[in-house]
Amino acid sequence: QKEVEQNSGPLSVPEGAIASLNCTYSDRGSQSFFWYRQYSGKSPELIMSIYSNGDKEDGRFTAQLNKASQYVSLLIRDSQPSDSATYLCAVNQRGNNRLAFGKGNQVVVIP
Amino acid sequence: SAVISQKPSRDICQRGTSLTIQCQVDSQVTMMFWYRQQPGQSLTLIATANQGSEATYESGFVIDKFPISRPNLTFSTLTVSNLSPEDSSIYLCSVTGTGDYEQYFGPGTRLTVT
Repeated sequence: QKEVEQNSGPLSVPEGAIASLNCTYSDRGSQSFFWYRQYSGKSPELIMSIYSNGDKEDGRFTAQLNKASQYVSLLIRDSQPSDSATYLCAVNQRGNNRLAFGKGNQVVVIP
Repeated sequence: SAVISQKPSRDICQRGTSLTIQCQVDSQVTMMFWYRQQPGQSLTLIATANQGSEATYESGFVIDKFPISRPNLTFSTLTVSNLSPEDSSIYLCSVTGTGDYEQYFGPGTRLTVT
């Protein structure tokens, strides 16, 4: 079982719609969870961090964490063409400082 | 967050040679990391660069191939040795931020081996 899994294929959403991305992780003791946005040809940019169960909102982004089910999700409301990017889920491994990354989900917002 | 720079931004190297990548941060940071991102793939951690001691390498990565230095709290280098076409990747350094285990990435170095 992979440490962090993002299984959805490319996601196409119309402008103004909600994009929903999911991520599952294997280490039940993981404590810190992150979403990165990566534009083509650029390095990953941290957009959300979440540490406790529930929802965390920041502008048009909402991160949701459910430790019992070992998943973390990202919602992008009112999607804009500038949101077109690959979104990477990252999980901190218990007991050390390393992050494990999922393979990423490409989001394409269609005007 | 800290401002991170990497040199070079890109390079084309011949098989069998080596490339040293520099990572500079504008403030002192505790942890620095080196990642590889192969074309179309996610990020793979190569090693944690420890100040004043040997780097901690992940499974599948060895010091002879990826020697790392970290002479102080603002600078690190990664050398990719004995280059082969399979080493063609983007190499990224990252540093920890103020939040728990947050990491921020430099702009990356795109390496092409011919």
